[in-house]
This record gives sequence, C-alpha cells and structure tokens, in this order.
Amino acid sequence: GAVVSQHPSWVICKSGTSVKIECRSLDFQATTMFWYRQFPKQSLMLMATSNEGSKATYEQGVEKDKFLINHASLTLSTLTVTSAHPEDSSFYICSASPGRAYYEQYFGPGTRLTVT
Amino acid sequence: KNQVEQSPQSLIILEGKNCTLQCNYTVSPFSNLRWYKQDTGRGPVSLTIMTFSENTKSNGRYTATLDADTKQSSLHITASQLSDSASYICVVSFRSTTSGTYKYIFGTGTRLKVLA
Repeated sequence: GAVVSQHPSWVICKSGTSVKIECRSLDFQATTMFWYRQFPKQSLMLMATSNEGSKATYEQGVEKDKFLINHASLTLSTLTVTSAHPEDSSFYICSASPGRAYYEQYFGPGTRLTVT
Repeated sequence: KNQVEQSPQSLIILEGKNCTLQCNYTVSPFSNLRWYKQDTGRGPVSLTIMTFSENTKSNGRYTATLDADTKQSSLHITASQLSDSASYICVVSFRSTTSGTYKYIFGTGTRLKVLA
C-alpha cells in the first residue's frame, strides 16, 4: 500500500515553455503533498507544501509564480514550471501524507526535467 | 538551528562486507527519524523509522540504531550486495508547536558504492 506515482517520469522541453508534473496517491487520500527538487549529488530540497483545497506554502527562495502548485483533490497535486529555463532542469520529487498532523510521507518515483 | 548531518559523504566497499553510516542531528523537539534508500534517478524508499523510545530497528540486512540522548543514529548494512549501491538519506521530523504539522529535515545523504 501507500503508492505514489508521478507523471511524466521524464520530460524535455524548450526554454520558455511550461511543463506540468502530476503527483498521484494511488491507494490513500493525501491531505498533504510535498514537492521537492534535487540536483545531482545533492539531497532533496523542499519547494512547497500543499494541503488539499488550500494554497500551497512555499519555502523561502522558491518563486510561487514560477512553480505553480495545485492540490485540487485528495489524490492529485500538480506542479507547473512556467516559462522554464535551463537552470530549472532538475529532478522533481513529490511525496504525500495522509494527514497534516501525520508524520508518514510516501515518495513518488520522481520526474526528470530537462530544459533545452 | 535544526540540522541533520551525515557521514561519510561517500563510501566504497566490496560486496559481502558490512558498513555503517552515521547521522547526527540537532532537531528539536524530536519526533522520529527515518532512513531512506534512494537509487539514482528514483524517489526515496523508506528503510526504517524510529521514534524517541526506540533504540534499534531492523529491516532485513539493514539495522538502524538511535541514541536520542546524544542525538545520533546509525544505519548498519550487513553482507552488502551490489544492489545496495545507492544514496542513503537520514530524515528527522518534528512537529511544529504552532501549526501542528510535521516538518522534515533532510540530511545530505551518504553515497554508497558496492563493488564486485
């Protein structure tokens, strides 16, 4: 149980275009979802926390207008990278938790974004 | 400041050998500590989770220990296999006293390479 999927697993886009990444909890309801980015040989960096039905909370230094997060249902959250640039190329990972006050989080397999 | 430090940064061992990874933290108030295994290009997978009162937890060839007094944890891998080659991440969580939500502090990880 507790499976989280991401789509797509990898994407290549041209600079200036927007890319949407989906994160789904397949067998549980995810009240809270987290979005991370990871650069090569570095650990995960939390970008934002989203609770279903409310606006996402972004970490310091993360541009909310560039990284749009929508958590419209208890099983789906999306991250849209707007006007992507080569420096946005990274590994994006989501995780989901059954509750706001629940310590367990289950990670998705990640999405590799390459901006050319 | 809440921090999680891991050592060594990288490690190379021969197949069949044992190894121990270290995690020191300054997170307070402590809730739980989790070890994750992350294969290259994949999302983290949970190995063990320990709360304040637990000293050791095993998952197959993986054994984690926790000393809450010294705020140290270790992950011992027995009889290593080639498939153990991955990054191992220590994550310490605490519950925010203001929001009631859980926060996660990630270590920078240890990159383990097992050679035949």
